[in-house]
Amino acid sequence: EIVLTQSPATLSLSPGERATLSCRASQSVGSYLAWYQQKPGQAPRLLIYDASNRATDIPARFSGSGSGTDFTLTISSLEPEDFAIYYCQHRDSWPRGLTFGGGTKVEIK
Amino acid sequence: QVQLVESGGGVVQPGRSLRVSCAASGFTFSSFGMQWVRQAPGKGLEWVAGISKDGSKKYYADSVKGRFTISRDNSEKTLYLQMNSLRAEDMGVYYCAKDEYFYGLFDHWGQGTLVTVSS
Repeated sequence: EIVLTQSPATLSLSPGERATLSCRASQSVGSYLAWYQQKPGQAPRLLIYDASNRATDIPARFSGSGSGTDFTLTISSLEPEDFAIYYCQHRDSWPRGLTFGGGTKVEIK
Repeated sequence: QVQLVESGGGVVQPGRSLRVSCAASGFTFSSFGMQWVRQAPGKGLEWVAGISKDGSKKYYADSVKGRFTISRDNSEKTLYLQMNSLRAEDMGVYYCAKDEYFYGLFDHWGQGTLVTVSS
């Protein structure tokens, strides 16, 4: 099973700052990596798929990069509504399985 | 717009069964794969099961294989998850999600239904 490790666990930043979140896979997942945002009490929302493609209606301040084992989600300038938990997920071994990372919480400093 | 509404959650004793449902609207349900993802209280996300648009292909996480069954009724635009032999570790919020190409990507999610396993 491919393990996804997200870092840091918590990121404390102020609105307007740049956020850089990391997701590392235990083996190559190609470009089959997605990012989701989850706010308290809400369902997750797809942000980025296939490493760098923004999902529908996702603002341009969200961007994804990487391939193989190392991936990054960047929020160029944090808006108040961006403080949430972010999960990465791979689909490289579909349909044998799907796994999520443990999440990074972006909190207000 | 895509809307997914889960129902059927509740409190159930260990070893018992429960069926949760997901009513879909705002898209052609029969044209897309569907998935179930769960989240234990205060924990991360875990994929549970997926089903192709016509129901012919079904896939399960190892943790639920042999105990859970995913199904769908395209005429009723509803997705189901039958959960048998429930364990404490099955407790959490169960989300249904749309998977446009049925390749393991969750493009729209419902709000979830809470399943509590407790004696």
